[in-house]
Amino acid sequence: QVQLVQSGAEVKKPGASVKVSCKASGYTFTSYYMHWVRQAPGQGLEWMGIINPSGGSTSYAQKFQGRVTMTRDTSTSTVYMELSSLRSEDTAVYYCARDIVVVPAAPSNWFDPWGQGTLVTVSS
Amino acid sequence: EIVLTQSPGTLSLSPGERATLSCRASQSVSSSYLAWYQQKPGQAPRLLIYGASSRATGIPDRFSGSGSGTDFTLTISRLEPEDFAVYYCQQYLAFGGGTKVEIK
Repeated sequence: QVQLVQSGAEVKKPGASVKVSCKASGYTFTSYYMHWVRQAPGQGLEWMGIINPSGGSTSYAQKFQGRVTMTRDTSTSTVYMELSSLRSEDTAVYYCARDIVVVPAAPSNWFDPWGQGTLVTVSS
Repeated sequence: EIVLTQSPGTLSLSPGERATLSCRASQSVSSSYLAWYQQKPGQAPRLLIYGASSRATGIPDRFSGSGSGTDFTLTISRLEPEDFAVYYCQQYLAFGGGTKVEIK
């Protein structure tokens, strides 16, 4: 079955960077876009960006431009999300989530399934 | 920028009752892009409905979506114990603030 397994929780100091991984299995990795969505404690969902695992192209939410980098490793079917210049407001659970549409059609921006989430805590 | 407003914030109902959740967009949007997700405590969200009314794989038919323009609705025809959760609507890349369905 389709599975997205994310890396474990992280604790970072303000100003540092964090890199979260998301390993996909159960389908052809390069056939589906992958998104990253975050959720601050007790808050709603916030879209961060998308990567096309086939060619590696990315698109980021304006809010995160310049601070976020999404990459992929096709040899291990893994996507990565790196967020730099961390501040306390970046404390959140970060999710990878697969688009339901097959590349090269335009992404639907509907997410299914999701990874289990990675808690990133930013604290001095 | 589209803003999605969900109401009510909390819905208190008993198992077996009907739940009606609302999602209002700040501007008219294509129903083709409206989705609903369910999130239980400590879990990732799960896609329920996409394209305003199409159920995702494995979603029971007690869940239904409707609406157009600026007003959309998620209906749970008869609440099961596992349906008590938070529900989010989504349009393009924006999410609503969520509606919590709790046991009365």
